[in-house]
Amino acid sequence: GDSVTQMEGPVTLSEEAFLTINCTYTATGYPSLFWYVQYPGEGLQLLLKATKADDKGSNKGFEATYRKETTSFHLEKGSVQVSDSAVYFCALSDANTGNQFYFGTGTSLTVIP
Amino acid sequence: EAQVTQNPRYLITVTGKKLTVTCSQNMNHEYMSWYRQDPGLGLRQIYYSMNVEVTDKGDVPEGYKVSRKEKRNFPLILESPSPNQTSLYFCASSLLVTLNEQYFGPGTRLTVT
Repeated sequence: GDSVTQMEGPVTLSEEAFLTINCTYTATGYPSLFWYVQYPGEGLQLLLKATKADDKGSNKGFEATYRKETTSFHLEKGSVQVSDSAVYFCALSDANTGNQFYFGTGTSLTVIP
Repeated sequence: EAQVTQNPRYLITVTGKKLTVTCSQNMNHEYMSWYRQDPGLGLRQIYYSMNVEVTDKGDVPEGYKVSRKEKRNFPLILESPSPNQTSLYFCASSLLVTLNEQYFGPGTRLTVT
């Protein structure tokens, strides 16, 4: 069945460091891919999305490219800020599996000044 | 303001005592879903609904029931809660799950003793 695997955390970075959070997926069809962010004590918010191969999603300085050949959707940011500290979830939705939504286990990011 | 609301936000109960967690959205979304979030497991989908009177099982439906009698409401029912259902629960809604973001509620922290 469909699944999402993302790198384990926690990740601790200094302010202005480069961020990569790896995400790979398994899907039977052509899924849409998402990154969600969860700030402490809150629900999840969509960070970015990509709906087909080679699409690049971007928002707030974060980027991720839908790579069908490597079944990956890695999240990157060139210069992280303290305010980026949160838990990041990679997710997919595949219409071929009845519109279920699959999330990764989440990666906790802490950015220190 | 567009939002997903859940009630209660916190609940402590005892094994076997039936409970309902309500979810309501004001965005006229067709798709609604329930997730549970557990440490190390990420978010797992319990049930989802594509429209009124249409519900489908997610990955972990055992021990839960849902109903969709109105478009805006999607209650989660635990007929006989057990300690392994202690978790953080999120309701979410969207227009079209494969192409659009899901809007998440603030979460309900449930403890079953």
